[in-house]
Amino acid sequence: GDSVTQMEGPVTLSEEAFLTINCTYTATGYPSLFWYVQYPGEGLQLLLKATKADDKGSNKGFEATYRKETTSFHLEKGSVQVSDSAVYFCALSDRSGTYKYIFGTGTRLKVLA
Amino acid sequence: GAGVSQSPSNKVTEKGKDVELRCDPISGHTALYWYRQSLGQGLEFLIYFQGNSAPDKSGLPSDRFSAERTGGSVSTLTIQRTQQEDSAVYLCASSLTSGGNTDTQYFGPGTRLTVL
Repeated sequence: GDSVTQMEGPVTLSEEAFLTINCTYTATGYPSLFWYVQYPGEGLQLLLKATKADDKGSNKGFEATYRKETTSFHLEKGSVQVSDSAVYFCALSDRSGTYKYIFGTGTRLKVLA
Repeated sequence: GAGVSQSPSNKVTEKGKDVELRCDPISGHTALYWYRQSLGQGLEFLIYFQGNSAPDKSGLPSDRFSAERTGGSVSTLTIQRTQQEDSAVYLCASSLTSGGNTDTQYFGPGTRLTVL
């Protein structure tokens, strides 16, 4: 079945460092891909999405490009802030009929001042 | 506008008791999903509703779990004879439809269930 693999955390960075969180997927067909963020004590929020190959999703300085050839959707940010500390989840939308999400296990990011 | 709401936010119960978790989706959203977020298991799909029907219940872990949706709106997830392994955060999400694959799911804050 469909699956999402993302890098294990925690990831600890200094403020203004470059961030990459890797995400790869396995899917039959062509899923939509998402990054969600969960700030401490809060619910899941959509960060960005891409719906087809070569699409780039972006929001709040974060970017991810849908790469069909490498089945990847890596999250990047050029300069992280303390306020970016959170858990980041990569997900795909299952196209088998119900469009339920398949999530990665989440990557905790800690940004130090 | 109002987002997805869930109640209660926290529930502590004793092993063997039944619990009901409620989800109020965004108004007008026809698709509703329940997920469970537990340590070591990540986020896992439980059940999907389109309107009042549940075409996909494949994620329900046992027959102690059931869910219903009435009026195409509010949904209730019921866990009977709770076990300690049911302890988790139960998340509800809704989307405008489920037919397009591009529909984004909007998540509620979750209900944290603790079974003692």
